[in-house]
Formats: sequence, C-alpha cells, structure tokens
Amino acid sequence: LAKTTQPISMDSYEGQEVNITCSHNNIATNDYITWYQQFPSQGPRFIIQGYKTKVTNEVASLFIPADRKSSTLSLPRVSLSDTAVYYCLVGDPYSSASKIIFGSGTRLSIRP
Amino acid sequence: EAGVTQFPSHSVIEKGQTVTLRCDPISGHDNLYWYRRVMGKEIKFLLHFVKESKQDESGMPNNRFLAERTGGTYSTLKVQPAELEDSGVYFCASSQEPQTYNEQFFGPGTRLTVL
Repeated sequence: LAKTTQPISMDSYEGQEVNITCSHNNIATNDYITWYQQFPSQGPRFIIQGYKTKVTNEVASLFIPADRKSSTLSLPRVSLSDTAVYYCLVGDPYSSASKIIFGSGTRLSIRP
Repeated sequence: EAGVTQFPSHSVIEKGQTVTLRCDPISGHDNLYWYRRVMGKEIKFLLHFVKESKQDESGMPNNRFLAERTGGTYSTLKVQPAELEDSGVYFCASSQEPQTYNEQFFGPGTRLTVL
C-alpha cells in the first residue's frame, strides 16, 4: 500500500501557477495517481488521474516522472476559488475500496 | 444531471439515540461508498456497495453501524446507539465504473454531532 506525503499547506496569489508535489516512494506497478479537491462543507471532487508522464484536462495538469515516486499537480493561473484542500491518492484501481487513503491533504490558500 | 445528495445535512443527537443517514447516488451508478471524517482526522472508508450487495464493509467501525441499500438505489447508514466518538462528517460517493480508484462523485456530507 503506497503511502503519500504532501505539504500540509501552501499559499499563493491569484494569477500564479501552483504546483503541489506528492511523494509516493513505495508506489506499485499497478497503482494510479489520483487527485481530489475539497472545498469547505463539501465532499471531495475528482480533479485528475494519471499513470505516467503527463496528463492534462481543463482544470489541471499532472506530471509524473519516469520513476513514478512522486507526482506534481499543476494548477495554472489560480483564482480565489481554488482555495481548498487537495488530496493525492495512490492505488490500484482494481483493489478493494478499503485501500483508499485520503491522507491529510494540502491546504491551499489563494490570496488576492 | 443531479449529483449525489445526502440527508440530513446536519444532525444533532444525544448519546444513546439512533440516527439514520441517507444517500441518493447519481442515477445509474451501481457503486456506492460511505466514508467519514471524525474529530478532524482523515477521511476514512466505511463500506462499498455494488448495487444492493456489500462489496466491502471492512471499514465499518463496529456493529453499531448498519448500512443498507435495498433495491440498489439509495442507501442508509444507521448508527444505533450513537456514541460521542461517532461525531464527524459522513460522506457518500457513487461511481459508474467498478474500479475503486476511478472517479467517485461525492455528496456534500452529513455532519453528525453526538452530545
């Protein structure tokens, strides 16, 4: 079971690019990397998922180096509404749901 | 398209009472999950339904918790009798795909306070 390590908190300003790195040194061959975003008083919301190299969607990009021992969630030109907690999850999509670990997440604060 | 809904949004009960939480998943989603965050700790998995069957209930803390999903549509999570340590936020999520790490759609949660 891959354990993840993320910064507890990060601060940035509107219009900046924000990169949140997640370490997962024990990632297994079948594991995927998934990021969720959670606003106060809401449930987590899926942002992006990847296995290797780079994945991009309308919300974010996910960069995964060749050794897959870390990954970086990149949020381009953040706004105040991007203030949230971001969770990095690592696991085999075909494993039991009981293996899902959200961890403490990274609390991102965006300032004007 | 309606998202995952949960009822009630808040519940305050006394220790020893019974509370039932309800989750309505996105229509057509066979997979339904319950999670909870207690006392500011991490979100923890409780159980996973596939249609009306319990696929994995290994996260249920004890036999005071009972989850059902009759007919494979909405689900209920009953806590009887409630204890102080049950206070927290209970989330429900649903997904169409069977893979557990694929996108899950979460509801807003039910905040349970046990006094």
